[in-house]
Amino acid sequence: AQSVTQLDSHVSVSEGTPVLLRCNYSSSYSPSLFWYVQHPNKGLQLLLKYTSAATLVKGINGFEAEFKKSETSFHLTKPSAHMSDAAEYFCVVSDSGNTGFQKLVFGTGTRLLVSP
Amino acid sequence: GAGVSQSPSNKVTEKGKDVELRCDPISGHTALYWYRQSLGQGLEFLIYFQGNSAPDKSGLPSDRFSAERTGGSVSTLTIQRTQQEDSAVYLCASSLGRVDGETQYFGPGTRLLVL
Repeated sequence: AQSVTQLDSHVSVSEGTPVLLRCNYSSSYSPSLFWYVQHPNKGLQLLLKYTSAATLVKGINGFEAEFKKSETSFHLTKPSAHMSDAAEYFCVVSDSGNTGFQKLVFGTGTRLLVSP
Repeated sequence: GAGVSQSPSNKVTEKGKDVELRCDPISGHTALYWYRQSLGQGLEFLIYFQGNSAPDKSGLPSDRFSAERTGGSVSTLTIQRTQQEDSAVYLCASSLGRVDGETQYFGPGTRLLVL
C-alpha cells in the first residue's frame, strides 16, 4: 500500500522568507503525488500534482515541488512566503493498488505559520 | 461552472440518531469519493463510486455507515445510530474518472457534531 510521511507537524517562517514543507512517500510503483492546501474553514484546494511527467512541478501561488525517486521525496517549496500562505498543507499519494480505482492517501498535514 | 457542493454545511445531532449527508458532484464527473477528516484520524477514505459499478466500501469504519449514489450523480452518506466518535468533517470529492493521477475536486465539507 502507498503511504506518505510529512515530517513536520508545524513550520514557522517570516513573511518574505523561503518555505520548505517536507514529504516522503512509500510506493511499490511509480506514484501520483499531490499537494493540497486547506485554509481555515475552507475546503481542500489542489496546489500541484506529479504524474510521471516533469520531475519539477509548478503549482499555484508560486509553489513548486520536486519529485526525487532516489530519495522518495516530494518536498514543497516557495521562494518567498506571504501572509496568505498560512494554512494546513497535505501531501497526498494516489493509491490504485489492485482495485483499479484512485484512493487518495493523505499525510498527517503540516501547519504553516507565517509571521510579519 | 459550479464546484462540488455539500449539504448541510453543519449538522448537530444527538447520539443514537441517524443523519444523512448530501453531495452534488461536478457535472460530468463519473467518480465520486467520500472522505472523513477528524482530529484523531486525520483524513481518511470512506467510499468510492465509479459510474454504474458497484461502489468500493473498503474504507467505511462500521456497518452503521452506508452510501448511495442515485442516477450516477448525487450521493448520500448515511450514518445510523450516531456515536460521538463520528464527529468529524465529511468531505466529498469528484473527478472525471478516466485515468490514474487525475485531480479530485473537493467540496467544502459537512461538519458533524454528535452530542
